[in-house]
Amino acid sequence: GNSVTQMEGPVTLSEEAFLTINCTYTATGYPSLFWYVQYPGEGLQLLLKATKADDKGSNKGFEATYRKETTSFHLEKGSVQVSDSAVYFCALSALGNMLTFGGGTRLMVKP
Amino acid sequence: EAQVTQNPRYLITVTGKKLTVTCSQNMNHEYMSWYRQDPGLGLRQIYYSMNVEVTDKGDVPEGYKVSRKEKRNFPLILESPSPNQTSLYFCASRPSSGNTIYFGEGSWLTVV
Repeated sequence: GNSVTQMEGPVTLSEEAFLTINCTYTATGYPSLFWYVQYPGEGLQLLLKATKADDKGSNKGFEATYRKETTSFHLEKGSVQVSDSAVYFCALSALGNMLTFGGGTRLMVKP
Repeated sequence: EAQVTQNPRYLITVTGKKLTVTCSQNMNHEYMSWYRQDPGLGLRQIYYSMNVEVTDKGDVPEGYKVSRKEKRNFPLILESPSPNQTSLYFCASRPSSGNTIYFGEGSWLTVV
């Protein structure tokens, strides 16, 4: 079956630090890959997505590249802000179903 | 406005008292799904549906039922809730041909 593995948190960074949250996946076929963000007390928001190999999704300074050879979709941001503090979920969508999520990574950014 | 609507948003109930969480989407989507979110476990799929009268188990279906009698509605039924079903529940939908997924705002359920 499909699965997503992402690094456990919490990840604690100082403001303006570089962020990487690792995500790897197992899937049959060619899934679409997503990063969702959940701010404290809120629901899920789509952060970015990529639908085929070598695609790069980007939004709000975050980026992730669909790497088929390493089955990875790592999330990066060059300079984090306090307002980026949230839980980040990597997910995949394969034919015939909805989303399979990773366990989530909590990011805490300190001023 | 395209949306997925869940009700109730917050509920405290007692063990064994049947409850239903409703989910409705106004986008004519074929696919709908229920997830539960628990700390450290991310979101796990409970059930999904690919169209009217077509449902299938997700990763954690035990203790839940669903039905899909109409395309827009996908209620989640807890016949005899137990405390381990205390969780945050999300409903989601998407069209069969696309990969943009819409989520409801979540339903906080506490079973005491």
